Amino acid sequence: QSALTQPASVSGSPGQSITISCTGTNSDVGGHDFVSWYQHRPGKAPQLMIYDVTVRPSGVSNRFSGSKSGNTASLTISGLQAEDEADYYCSSYTSSSTWVFGGGTQLTVL
Amino acid sequence: QLQLQESGPGLVKPSETLSLTCTVSSGSISSSHHLWGWIRQPPGKELEWIGSVYYRGSTDYNPSLESRVTISVDTSKNQFSLSLISVTAADTAVYYCVRRSVGQNWFDPWGQGTLVTVSS
Repeated sequence: QSALTQPASVSGSPGQSITISCTGTNSDVGGHDFVSWYQHRPGKAPQLMIYDVTVRPSGVSNRFSGSKSGNTASLTISGLQAEDEADYYCSSYTSSSTWVFGGGTQLTVL
Repeated sequence: QLQLQESGPGLVKPSETLSLTCTVSSGSISSSHHLWGWIRQPPGKELEWIGSVYYRGSTDYNPSLESRVTISVDTSKNQFSLSLISVTAADTAVYYCVRRSVGQNWFDPWGQGTLVTVSS
């Protein structure tokens, strides 16, 4: 199972919105509504930010939102804050009953 | 809030067995609603799902690792473990323990991760 494709890095200024894409295939992202997103800050445990494409867990800011179109899922962060600076990873359930991840996107808040 | 903590050797020799343990705190591993698993990330590469175990012992593994991996659970210690045999440098990675709810497809929470280096 090939990894999902994410941009290596994105950046934005405080208050702006950014979108991170996650591209897979019909066997993962496109075939199932089971995409999740994780935030990973250095030295901390990765944290679930979005699951089932669009669902935000309790406690996660509503500035984070998810969507999907075809084989590409997206994570949007609005009203960027310095604390959002982190690596972001997408994941999808696959038709092989496994889970596949993206290579990660480094978000820099300028 | 449930927490996970990985422990084990940080250095393993090639051809030997990598063994890690994950301790579950502020929660019970004997939950009928959850599975317990491992995910790893080699340096500069993507995360890779390794597999998971149910408290009764049933397991599922990534087919790419299935021939070398065993995940087991010790309910008396509220721990679960990973064993990976015949390791090579390609198994060098940060290993994370995770929880997944039965029937769901996301992982929460995660441990902080532990780096295991395979080198002589």
